[in-house]
Formats: sequence, structure tokens, C-alpha cells
Amino acid sequence: SSELTQDPAVSVALGQTVRITCQGDSLRSYYGGWYQVRPGQAPALVIFDKNSRPSGIPDRFSGSSSGDTASLTITGAQAEDEADYYCSSRDRSGNQWVFGGGTKLTVL
Amino acid sequence: QLHLQESGPGLVKPSETLSLTCTVSGGSITSASYHWGWIRQSPGKGLEWIGSVYYSGSTYYNSSLKSRVILSVDTSKNQFSLKVFHMTAADTAVYYCVREWGDGYNNYFDSWGQGTLVTVSS
Repeated sequence: SSELTQDPAVSVALGQTVRITCQGDSLRSYYGGWYQVRPGQAPALVIFDKNSRPSGIPDRFSGSSSGDTASLTITGAQAEDEADYYCSSRDRSGNQWVFGGGTKLTVL
Repeated sequence: QLHLQESGPGLVKPSETLSLTCTVSGGSITSASYHWGWIRQSPGKGLEWIGSVYYSGSTYYNSSLKSRVILSVDTSKNQFSLKVFHMTAADTAVYYCVREWGDGYNNYFDSWGQGTLVTVSS
């Protein structure tokens, strides 16, 4: 099992707000990054350094962190946000990178 | 605009060695700011970091794969490569080459190749 735990699936109504969480001991020491994986596409970084967005990522995506949990929030979810979302951070040893198991987001 | 492109065989026999190359264009692999890595995703499963290499040749690997993996870099060609030895069906996956960026404490994979599907089958 992964050192970073995510809910397997989450759904949100179009235009509503959804939060996806990632829990792991290493998140007490390291920021988590968030990646969006749309079907048939390469993953894309959407959040880094807790709450920074790469160029081109809509501002409806935001991140936060508290204790051992990092969160990705989509405010006003759009149909194109339907995808798998993965968190990533260092492992407990700090020597390698790990990913959460992924959360499948469905936009209803 | 940075572009990463994987190349290599789509089919590998069990017990054989996989060799993949990533060609970087639109940026230099010798930039001091970045590492270069490989990540894979098995069918229906999540993402798995394989390892990363710096332009100097220094490497670090996923401990679960370390005994079967070698990463290398060819600065003259602006390429980096992955070798996975003793391939099994469990290694069937889409392999992505990536650019790793950050402060060294918190790093992120901010640019990805399109991915290449590698199937292990006799």
C-alpha cells in the first residue's frame, strides 16, 4: 500500500466545489504536489509548494496543507476537470518520491 | 517550450532488458536547476517513480526497483536513458520521462513526455 493515502473516488456536481485529500506522515515535513491525469493524456502538475499553480493552470485549482494531510480544492468544477488526481511527496525516509493511489474525480 | 520524447521498443520479452531514451528539446539537459527522471503507470494502476538522474550522472532510485534499474545521461545528445533488467509482466506499463524541478527538498515533475507503452510478453 502507498505511504500516501487518497480516497479512490470523489464526485462533484458541475460548478460546485470539491476537495481531494492526501494523507501521509511525510506530509508533516514535505509539501505535496498534485497531478492531473486525463484519460489518454500525460500527467500534468497542477499544484506545487502547497498552493502554487504552474503557468496555465486555472485559478479554480488551489492547495492547502495541515498536519499530515494535503488537500486539492477545485472551486467551480468544470467538465474538463474530470480526471484522476495524484498527490506526490517524499517518502518517510526522505530518500525517494512516492505517489498516492490516486482519486478518480467525476463531474456530474 | 520544453519537449520530452520517449523512444524505445513497445514489446519486450520476459527476462530481457528494456532500454528507453528520452530526447529533450527546447531546453538543455545540463541546466543546474533540474533532474531528469522516469515514472511509469501500469494498466489500471497508479503512478510509480522509477528514478532520477542529474546531468553530472548522479542518480537516485526507487528502492523497490534499484537492483534492476540504471539511469544515465548523454549531454552531447541532450538525452537521458533508462534500462530495466529482468523484465516481467509486472513491468508492463506506460513509461514517462519527466523533468524534476524544485529546491531539492520539495521537488516536482513539471514537464512530462507523452509516454510510451511497454508490454512484456513472449
